[in-house]
Amino acid sequence: NAGVTQTPKFQVLKTGQSMTLQCAQDMNHNSMYWYRQDPGMGLRLIYYSASEGTTDKGEVPNGYNVSRLNKREFSLRLESAAPSQTSVYFCASSTRGAEAFFGQGTRLTVV
Amino acid sequence: RKEVEQDPGPFNVPEGATVAFNCTYSNSASQSFFWYRQDCRKEPKLLMSVYSSGNEDGRFTAQLNRASQYISLLIRDSKLSDSATYLCVVNADYKLSFGAGTTVTVRA
Repeated sequence: NAGVTQTPKFQVLKTGQSMTLQCAQDMNHNSMYWYRQDPGMGLRLIYYSASEGTTDKGEVPNGYNVSRLNKREFSLRLESAAPSQTSVYFCASSTRGAEAFFGQGTRLTVV
Repeated sequence: RKEVEQDPGPFNVPEGATVAFNCTYSNSASQSFFWYRQDCRKEPKLLMSVYSSGNEDGRFTAQLNRASQYISLLIRDSKLSDSATYLCVVNADYKLSFGAGTTVTVRA
C-alpha cells in the first residue's frame, strides 16, 4: 500500500530558486494538506484542499502556492525560495472527520 | 490564540510510571479528535482517535471534554519505546490543526 507519497525526500536550493514538491495519495481521500515543521514549532498548516478543485490558506501561506491537480495529487510550489523556508514539509490526506495519513516528508534546505 | 495548545513538557519518567498530559482547542465546532505520535521528526502516525465517551487502547487512555474543550492522554506502565512526541490533533470542517506536541522520555 503506497498511501501518501511525497517527492523529493531531500532538496537543497539556493536563495531565489523555485521548486515544486509533489504529493500523491491512493486512498481516495477528499482532503489534502501541506504542513511545515520547524524545530520546536510543531506542524503548521501552509495550505489545504478540502476537495478537488478547492484550496484554502492555512496558518503560514506566504511564499507558497498550491495546485490540486486532481483528487490524487496536491503540489506545493516555492516560487522564490528563502532561507526562512528551510524546514521539513509534510503532505497529508484524510476524509472528512477521519484521521490523516502522512507522507514521509521532504527535508528542504535553502542556502 | 492558537487553535490547539499543548503542554510541551518534556515529561521525563521512569519505566513503569504513569504519565498524563492535556491539550486544549479553541474551535467549539471541532468534530473529531486524535492523538498522533511522532518520532525524531519523522512523519506523524495515528496513535488513537478520541471519542466523547473516552476510550482505551492497551496502556493508552484518551478523554475528551467538549464543555471545557480539552483532550487528555494517559499512558500507563510506560515503556522505553513510548519515548516520543505526542501531537494533539483537531478536525474542524476539513481543516486539521495540530498542537506543537508534548515530549515524553521514558528512562530505564
